[in-house]
Amino acid sequence: GENVEQHPSTLSVQEGDSAVIKCTYSDSASNYFPWYKQELGKRPQLIIDIRSNVGEKKDQRIAVTLNKTAKHFSLHITETQPEDSAVYFCAVINDYKLSFGAGTTVTVRA
Amino acid sequence: DTAVSQTPKYLVTQMGNDKSIKCEQNLGHDTMYWYKQDSKKFLKIMFSYNNKELIINETVPNRFSPKSPDKAHLNLHINSLELGDSAVYFCASSQEYSSEPHYEQYFGPGTRLTVT
Repeated sequence: GENVEQHPSTLSVQEGDSAVIKCTYSDSASNYFPWYKQELGKRPQLIIDIRSNVGEKKDQRIAVTLNKTAKHFSLHITETQPEDSAVYFCAVINDYKLSFGAGTTVTVRA
Repeated sequence: DTAVSQTPKYLVTQMGNDKSIKCEQNLGHDTMYWYKQDSKKFLKIMFSYNNKELIINETVPNRFSPKSPDKAHLNLHINSLELGDSAVYFCASSQEYSSEPHYEQYFGPGTRLTVT
């Protein structure tokens, strides 16, 4: 199956700074790359996704970039706020299955 | 207006027991999923059904048996529970799994299963 590696596993940032999470995948046929946010005790929720025909997508303070040649994609959060504290998962579609990265625990310090 | 709901939210039971978790979605989706999230937060797919037909069956012990009575419901029955089954189980749904661009999966609130 698809192998998705996510780094870092934990990330602590000062409020107002940027956070970057990176993921790599193994199957070059993968064509859909979502990011999910999971707050403590809550369900994972989609925050942004990107498809293979696009190199970058932005939605307010979050953006995702995709490098299909290198098989990696990244989540960028700018002007971080306390409510951005959560676990973030990258994922990749392969054979109609979502394979998730191991997650990044982001803590925004006030 | 809950999109994907699960019951129960918490389940505490002893080893060897049999238990079920129920899931319902009111989004009109064709595909439903069960995921297991372990203590390290790792999310892994277990099963997927499309219009009541099993389409994904990962390497899961056969003590776990999903059942889809209709496309809005996907239940998970677990026999002979073991300590290692303790986890949070999430149900999810999406549009037709094989169509683009309808890949977004909507998750239920989760069921925290504790086996003692």
